[in-house]
Amino acid sequence: DQQVKQNSPSLSVQEGRISILNCDYTNSMFDYFLWYKKYPAEGPTFLISISSIKDKNEDGRFTVFLNKSAKHLSLHIVPSQPGDSAVYFCAASTQGAQKLVFGQGTRLTINP
Amino acid sequence: DTGVSQDPRHKITKRGQNVTFRCDPISEHNRLYWYRQTLGQGPEFLTYFQNEAQLEKSRLLSDRFSAERPKGSFSTLEIQRTEQGDSAMYLCASSDSYNEQFFGPGTRLTVL
Repeated sequence: DQQVKQNSPSLSVQEGRISILNCDYTNSMFDYFLWYKKYPAEGPTFLISISSIKDKNEDGRFTVFLNKSAKHLSLHIVPSQPGDSAVYFCAASTQGAQKLVFGQGTRLTINP
Repeated sequence: DTGVSQDPRHKITKRGQNVTFRCDPISEHNRLYWYRQTLGQGPEFLTYFQNEAQLEKSRLLSDRFSAERPKGSFSTLEIQRTEQGDSAMYLCASSDSYNEQFFGPGTRLTVL
């Protein structure tokens, strides 16, 4: 039962353009969403989060959008830089629950 | 470095042997989590501590797995009678809130 899904295993984007990573969820009880970035041989690094009371959160080059009716969130990176090449995971949690439920990840490659 | 640390970073063992991993969380964080990540998947929740109390365990955590956090600081995860299916990256995370969790670099276990 995959409650959080990232349907694109990989994405390739040219440097300077916008990268859009997508994530869908099935559990309507999820009320907090996070994006993590992971380089090889390292643990996931927290990027940005959004509460279900919002539909957008922005931090520098990173913006997360939440569409609750569609149970969909996306991460926009603009402009994309070579250092953004990594695996990106979305994760979700419910209020009062401690565990994060992760998607399978999307490998982003930024081409020069 | 005030991040989450894990030891060892790599462990190779033979099937049937016991292994123990250690996690040192960020010092002011009272919540500690263990996750397991296999190839091509996102991290999967195993267990969670608030201070020294183990408050939640996943059904993934079979009776061969045990975790402790004796003084509410570092934590250990032990796997007894290892099986080849236990081969994975074991990630530890800590937090001081219900929200962002900060991950360590992980321990990669290979069971031969």
